[in-house]
Amino acid sequence: GAVVSQHPSRVICKSGTSVKIECRSLDFQATTMFWYRQFPKQSLMLMATSNEGSKATYEQGVEKDKFLINHASLTLSTLTVTSAHPEDSSFYICSARGRSPYEQYFGPGTRLTVT
Amino acid sequence: QQQVKQSPQSLIVQKGGISIINCAYENTAFDYFPWYQQFPGKGPALLIAIRPDVSEKKEGRFTISFNKSAKQFSLHIMDSQPGDSATYFCAAKPGAQKLVFGQGTRLTINP
Repeated sequence: GAVVSQHPSRVICKSGTSVKIECRSLDFQATTMFWYRQFPKQSLMLMATSNEGSKATYEQGVEKDKFLINHASLTLSTLTVTSAHPEDSSFYICSARGRSPYEQYFGPGTRLTVT
Repeated sequence: QQQVKQSPQSLIVQKGGISIINCAYENTAFDYFPWYQQFPGKGPALLIAIRPDVSEKKEGRFTISFNKSAKQFSLHIMDSQPGDSATYFCAAKPGAQKLVFGQGTRLTINP
């Protein structure tokens, strides 16, 4: 099956700093990538959708200036959490879709802790 | 309209038993229904998926049953094993649009 990687798997940062999370599709070209946020014991919440070379489309209520998404190539998307605060602590998961509009593969997730 | 309702919220099954998780939807434009398995601290993994032109799909011990008229679909795990203990999410999507997830079911298989 298709493999999606994320880096780092865990990150701890201080309040007010920025942190970047990378998402890579390892064995396929991802025309569309998605970023999700998941709180403990809850479902996945879509934050934004990005297409290679285009600006990301953010879901309602997600601050685009705080969560910067870049999809610079068909295998790499990044999520930068700017001026992080403790309430941004969460599990962030990226997902990638290839040529098929249906199959969507998820990365292993990144645990962000803001102190 | 865009919701997918999943039940039960949690489920405990004895080893060797059948685990059944149900989902219901309203949007008739949904045409792809995947199930994802998520272990603690990991991302969701695609388990099995079905399109609405078939009523059942089986892969190993996992079976999706799909009832188009009732707008319901379910996951059956046969001969459930302790290693199946995880959170399961149903989802649905219309064409190339975004996935809509159910609330999740925490499955525990007792040895």
